[in-house]
Amino acid sequence: DIQMTQSPSSLSASVGDRVTITCRTSQSINSYLNWYQQKSGKAPKLLIYAASTLQSGVPSRFSGSGSGTDFTLTISSLQPEDFATYYCQQSYSTPRTFGQGTKVEIK
Amino acid sequence: EVHLVESGGGLVQPGGSLRLSCAASGFTFTNYWMHWVRQAPGKGLVWVSRINSDGNNTNYADSVKGRFNISRDNVKSTLYLQMNSLRPEDTAVYYCARGQPRQQGLDPWGQGTLVTVSS
Repeated sequence: DIQMTQSPSSLSASVGDRVTITCRTSQSINSYLNWYQQKSGKAPKLLIYAASTLQSGVPSRFSGSGSGTDFTLTISSLQPEDFATYYCQQSYSTPRTFGQGTKVEIK
Repeated sequence: EVHLVESGGGLVQPGGSLRLSCAASGFTFTNYWMHWVRQAPGKGLVWVSRINSDGNNTNYADSVKGRFNISRDNVKSTLYLQMNSLRPEDTAVYYCARGQPRQQGLDPWGQGTLVTVSS
């Protein structure tokens, strides 16, 4: 199974801050990396697929980069509605493993 | 509008069984792989299983292999998860999700249904 390591596990940031979350995989997955946002009590929402492609309707302040084993999710200017938990997931092979999540909290 | 609605969750004793359903609407169900993902209370997302569009190709997480069975009824546009020999560690919210083509993630997700395994 491909292991996913996200960091940090949590962070505190202010509105307007630039936020970066990283995801590392235990083997190369090319660009088969997806990012999800989950707000408290809600279902996850796909933000980015194929490492860097923004899902339709997702604000452009979200961006993704990376390939191989190292990936990054960046929020260029944090907004109040972005406080949530973010997960990476690989779609290279089964089982479709997720990272442990990064909780973004208000500073 | 694309919509997924899970049902069938509830309280079950250890060793018991439960069948979850996921009703799909707003898209051509037969064109998509479908997945189940679960989330234990206060924990992260864990992928459980997937099934191809025809229903003849399935995959499972090791933790549920041999106990859970995924299936679909393409006439009813409904996905199922038959869960047997349930354990307390299976307690979670279970989400169904549509697999995007070319392995481009899961979207959308249902609202989830809570399964509690306890005596």
